[in-house]
Amino acid sequence: NAGVTQTPKFRILKIGQSMTLQCAQDMNHNYMYWYRQDPGMGLKLIYYSVGAGITDKGEVPNGYNVSRSTTEDFPLRLELAAPSQTSVYFCASSSRTGLRTDTQYFGPGTRLTVL
Amino acid sequence: DAKTTQPPSMDCAEGRAANLPCNHSTISGNEYVYWYRQIHSQGPQYIIHGLKNNETNEMASLIITEDRKSSTLILPHATLRDTAVYYCIVGSHNNFNKFYFGSGTKLNVKP
Repeated sequence: NAGVTQTPKFRILKIGQSMTLQCAQDMNHNYMYWYRQDPGMGLKLIYYSVGAGITDKGEVPNGYNVSRSTTEDFPLRLELAAPSQTSVYFCASSSRTGLRTDTQYFGPGTRLTVL
Repeated sequence: DAKTTQPPSMDCAEGRAANLPCNHSTISGNEYVYWYRQIHSQGPQYIIHGLKNNETNEMASLIITEDRKSSTLILPHATLRDTAVYYCIVGSHNNFNKFYFGSGTKLNVKP
């Protein structure tokens, strides 16, 4: 299993440009999450999904959009990039079995710079 | 959602046990305590988690107080490769296991 994969690893955007950060998992996990991490800070939840077609906002959703059309993929869309979105973005996934939710598994991250 | 409090940094001598504390005084009955670590800017790595009882795996031990308001992660024989930021998180399947990260503890393992 590849686990959680993210592309691209690095990206530089100009202000106002758009892009999609890709995230895929091959563990058949129901739950997927997007976080951002600013320098010296902990991760903050942007959006999450509990299954295909179901998404919801986290702590810092403004400026982002998500979709979940399949179990495997959970792309994050930036429509009008701003310098405040310069950050490292992590995708994660976890499963739910019965009444328990498994721990989260994280991808390697995408480092985004907006100039 | 329960929040956690951790010291910003700790030092540990190589080969000695590292004991990392965490306060989670508002934890609710169905919330688990998770520990992750992050080396440089890599993705967070799972270490261990528990609900009430103490837990041990090949990486670490987790000691949870009886009232569940605090816990301690123990790395029994710290190595230089254990230098990282350690995050204590509480999460519940009732809340889709969403994680709320604090700033963590930077553990510096010194030769």
